[in-house]
Amino acid sequence: RKEVEQDPGPFNVPEGATVAFNCTYSNSASQSFFWYRQDCRKEPKLLMSVYSSGNEDGRFTAQLNRASQYISLLIRDSKLSDSATYLCVVNGLDNFNKFYFGSGTKLNVKP
Amino acid sequence: GAGVSQSPRYKVAKRGQDVALRCDPISGHVSLFWYQQALGQGPEFLTYFQNEAQLDKSGLPSDRFFAERPEGSVSTLKIQRTQQEDSAVYLCASSLEAGGLGEQFFGPGTRLTVL
Repeated sequence: RKEVEQDPGPFNVPEGATVAFNCTYSNSASQSFFWYRQDCRKEPKLLMSVYSSGNEDGRFTAQLNRASQYISLLIRDSKLSDSATYLCVVNGLDNFNKFYFGSGTKLNVKP
Repeated sequence: GAGVSQSPRYKVAKRGQDVALRCDPISGHVSLFWYQQALGQGPEFLTYFQNEAQLDKSGLPSDRFFAERPEGSVSTLKIQRTQQEDSAVYLCASSLEAGGLGEQFFGPGTRLTVL
């Protein structure tokens, strides 16, 4: 079983739609959680960290559910520029320096 | 620019050739990570440095892979006797803080193709 699992998508949504992604992780002792965004043939960039209490940054909301071992990302009022692959990232148990990336969820926002 | 840089951006190697990939992290960043990203997959952890110390190399796929960061800044990932399965994008990332606490800033990657 992979340490981090994501639905690869693609999610095809119209502009203005609300879309949500989930990511499950296998290591219950993981401490750090992130969402990164990766555009085609570019490097990943941090979108947001995910805190236990949940956090919001503009149109983006991230939630952590430790009991069920998943994190979520909600994007409201989707823009064309939100089209990208969203990577879920979790750090490891035996070594917090080791980060596990999901395979990514592809989002296509259509006009 | 003050970002992470990597060179070369593209490398084509014949099977069996040795290659060296360079990473220049953001100045002052303590942590440096190397990842391997295959097409359609997320980055896979290779190794982690805290300053010049290689604290984790558990992700290196074989003893043909070797990384160093001798002065705690520039890092080199070396692959000996390259194989076709080594073809991937190799990403370097640096972080201001030690360990798993801070944002990782990625370089543009080196796309390695082994023929």
